[in-house]
Amino acid sequence: DGGITQSPKYLFRKEGQNVTLSCEQNLNHDAMYWYRQDPGQGLRLIYYSQIVNDFQKGDIAEGYSVSREKKESFPLTVTSAQKNPTAFYLCASSIRGQGADGYTFGSGTRLTVV
Amino acid sequence: AQSVTQLDSQVPVFEEAPVELRCNYSSSVSVYLFWYVQYPNQGLQLLLKYLSGSTLVKGINGFEAEFNKSQTSFHLRKPSVHISDTAEYFCAVTRSGYSTLTFGKGTMLLVSP
Repeated sequence: DGGITQSPKYLFRKEGQNVTLSCEQNLNHDAMYWYRQDPGQGLRLIYYSQIVNDFQKGDIAEGYSVSREKKESFPLTVTSAQKNPTAFYLCASSIRGQGADGYTFGSGTRLTVV
Repeated sequence: AQSVTQLDSQVPVFEEAPVELRCNYSSSVSVYLFWYVQYPNQGLQLLLKYLSGSTLVKGINGFEAEFNKSQTSFHLRKPSVHISDTAEYFCAVTRSGYSTLTFGKGTMLLVSP
């Protein structure tokens, strides 16, 4: 079945360490997105990519980095510069990179920094 | 810029009662609107979307929403809820030419027996 796979589901890291969250899709979608979810704050856009080797910052890109070397993969690195990295991270994709298409979401990665 | 306001952070309701979850948007141009549902520790699943045409949109699991341009609203309704409808619901907006969705802060629907 086609879908988006995020791994791992739970991730624990020590403060000051970089950590990379994986997102893979086999839907042949052009665009991919990373959102951060905090209780009571909804979803906030971190980065998005509409084509391979290109990506744009979202509303809260500081302290994060991404790459898009393959169409099916869009990993997110949470760097030590991110002041409050503990959150639920959601990856999504859309077929043509147009908002009107809506998104397909992965099941999320819960990152806890101690 | 576009934004979405979900007026209620929590909506408690008894099983088999009707429910309405409210969503208002702000945009000066035509918009596309979505409702997503999220069960605990999972991703979001599309319930329904409005792109154009009929203002009453029917979705999965018996949900429907009505687009009201004059009120800039897109409220979600279900005539009779089940325990299994307990989840968080997100309204989202975008517009033609945009590649990203803007989400509201979510409404937690709590269905009790």
